[in-house]
Amino acid sequence: DAKTTQPTSMDCAEGRAANLPCNHSTISGNEYVYWYRQIHSQGPQYIIHGLKNNETNEMASLIITEDRKSSTLILPHATLRDTAVYYCIVSRRDTNAGKSTFGDGTTLTVKP
Amino acid sequence: GAVVSQHPSWVICKSGTSVKIECRSLDFQATTMFWYRQFPKQSLMLMATSNEGSKATYEQGVEKDKFLINHASLTLSTLTVTSAHPEDSSFYICSAKRQGGGYSNQPQHFGDGTRLSIL
Repeated sequence: DAKTTQPTSMDCAEGRAANLPCNHSTISGNEYVYWYRQIHSQGPQYIIHGLKNNETNEMASLIITEDRKSSTLILPHATLRDTAVYYCIVSRRDTNAGKSTFGDGTTLTVKP
Repeated sequence: GAVVSQHPSWVICKSGTSVKIECRSLDFQATTMFWYRQFPKQSLMLMATSNEGSKATYEQGVEKDKFLINHASLTLSTLTVTSAHPEDSSFYICSAKRQGGGYSNQPQHFGDGTRLSIL
């Protein structure tokens, strides 16, 4: 699986958009980009995933560059409850594989 | 959405005891489940991939005789930490992925984790 690079930490003001970048320059054609977050002392929570098109759901938007070497997770209106560690994962779509390697992620702190 | 239940949430036991952790996919079948461990202030480390009806695949450096994995049904995988010692104290997390029939790009769904403390 391709390796990802994320900033160690970011701050965001409550109510503002949080933009979390991820670099995955070695991504291959059959790998998806997944985003998860982990709130302290809980299991990770799935947020969103995509292949090459931009995606949006009720939690966030995912913007993937045309060359697929980087992506940005956007939380449109961050709240204090969005404070968490955010992980960007690149993983194959195989039905019998799909294991994920977690990097260190980005610690997002939403401030009042 | 897909739900994965993990039990127990936390356990404290004496050194030398074996501890079993259960991971269930509640509303979907999972031919593959994953087991992770996480130390304080660190990221998740994949321990093994649990395959229904066959042997688990362990990551390099993980002792298969220490961490026994059984995936007896499409909705249940168990991790048994045998003869646990204080250095095995950690946060253990399982995940499951809906697979088959066009679900190949589906995300992993995680349990809430088990905090294991060995005295």
